[in-house]
Amino acid sequence: SQQGEEDPQALSIQEGENATMNCSYKTSINNLQWYRQNSGRGLVHLILIRSNEREKHSGRLRVTLDTSKKSSSLLITASRAADTASYFCATGRSSYKLIFGSGTRLLVRP
Amino acid sequence: SQTIHQWPATLVQPVGSPLSLECTVEGTSNPNLYWYRQAAGRGLQLLFYSVGIGQISSEVPQNLSASRPQDRQFILSSKKLLLSDSGFYLCAWSATASPGQYFGPGTRLTVT
Repeated sequence: SQQGEEDPQALSIQEGENATMNCSYKTSINNLQWYRQNSGRGLVHLILIRSNEREKHSGRLRVTLDTSKKSSSLLITASRAADTASYFCATGRSSYKLIFGSGTRLLVRP
Repeated sequence: SQTIHQWPATLVQPVGSPLSLECTVEGTSNPNLYWYRQAAGRGLQLLFYSVGIGQISSEVPQNLSASRPQDRQFILSSKKLLLSDSGFYLCAWSATASPGQYFGPGTRLTVT
């Protein structure tokens, strides 16, 4: 079964708005990562947060991790049409294996 | 810088035919290598991973096999394809000491 599950499954926002996606997981983790996938393409690594971290920033991305609730959120601020993609969380329990969720499809309308 | 190549980009094969997908990584040594399959509109399912030459771990019992004949080469194979093998196949690599993974462009396989 999937370790991570994203919520919502689909999200449609206007350009300039913020987009928030959530990820829940079931077992203890070593790290949690977020990836982006444009239609028909490979995944791009966005950001990694370790289990002892609570918040991390990278450009317009902000990731939070709450290990007590086994959940994470990805915030994209000031969204652009180019942010339209599917976003996946992936949880890691060892140094090399990841389990991916089913993704959130984000549509940013110009 | 590191790059990862996959080929072919698309493939249409009849049921019962063999399969060979190749993945190569440049610009790094002793990477961890991974094969994933993605069904339409779904997340990624880890099929195989490798931490070294000849070392293959299988995650899901299936009609597929993997081999790592060289440090930066990872091959996904099947002797006889099934309709259920259709999907988007992604190869990825990670550095030994870092959990972040880097993906190739993928191969779209359609079994007819």
